[in-house]
Amino acid sequence: DQQVKQNSPSLSVQEGRISILNCDYTNSMFDYFLWYKKYPAEGPTFLISISSIKDKNEDGRFTVFLNKSAKHLSLHIVPSQPGDSAVYFCAASLSQIQGAQKLVFGQGTRLTINP
Amino acid sequence: DVKVTQSSRYLVKRTGEKVFLECVQDMDHENMFWYRQDPGLGLRLIYFSYDVKMKEKGDIPEGYSVSREKKERFSLILESASTNQTSMYLCASALIHTAGNEKLFFGSGTQLSVL
Repeated sequence: DQQVKQNSPSLSVQEGRISILNCDYTNSMFDYFLWYKKYPAEGPTFLISISSIKDKNEDGRFTVFLNKSAKHLSLHIVPSQPGDSAVYFCAASLSQIQGAQKLVFGQGTRLTINP
Repeated sequence: DVKVTQSSRYLVKRTGEKVFLECVQDMDHENMFWYRQDPGLGLRLIYFSYDVKMKEKGDIPEGYSVSREKKERFSLILESASTNQTSMYLCASALIHTAGNEKLFFGSGTQLSVL
């Protein structure tokens, strides 16, 4: 039962253009959403997040949009740069007892930026 | 910067061996996590710990156990390694969960091959 889904395993975008990565979720109890970026042979690094009470959050070239009614979020990268080539994971957070956050991750989308 | 260190980058073990994966964090974080990453499945939570000697099962705990004897160290144990446990193992740590504080910090991962 995949509660967080990234239906595109890969995406190829030309340098300078916009990259849009999509993520769908099924559990309406998720209260926070995050995007992580992962290079080969490295651990995931945090990129940007959004609370369920917002519909947009922007940080430089990165913007995350949340559509709660559709249970959909997207990450926009503009302009795309070669260093953005990586695997991107969408994650959703459920509050837990004992003060531990539980992140549920999607399958990942491999983004390739072509010069 | 938060540093999460996993003791091995690559491990090769034989079926039936007992395997220990070690993780240390240097930021005095209360919460620690073990995930595994597999192609097409994303990151899946194995176990987490919210305090010394405390542990909770994640989504796929079967075949694994954990130990947290000190706050900074969280160990994953494969009691009897099997080939289906060949995977990338990722350790993460985080502050105690409060609103807006969902971020996990990941180590670089241990690629385990079970032959």
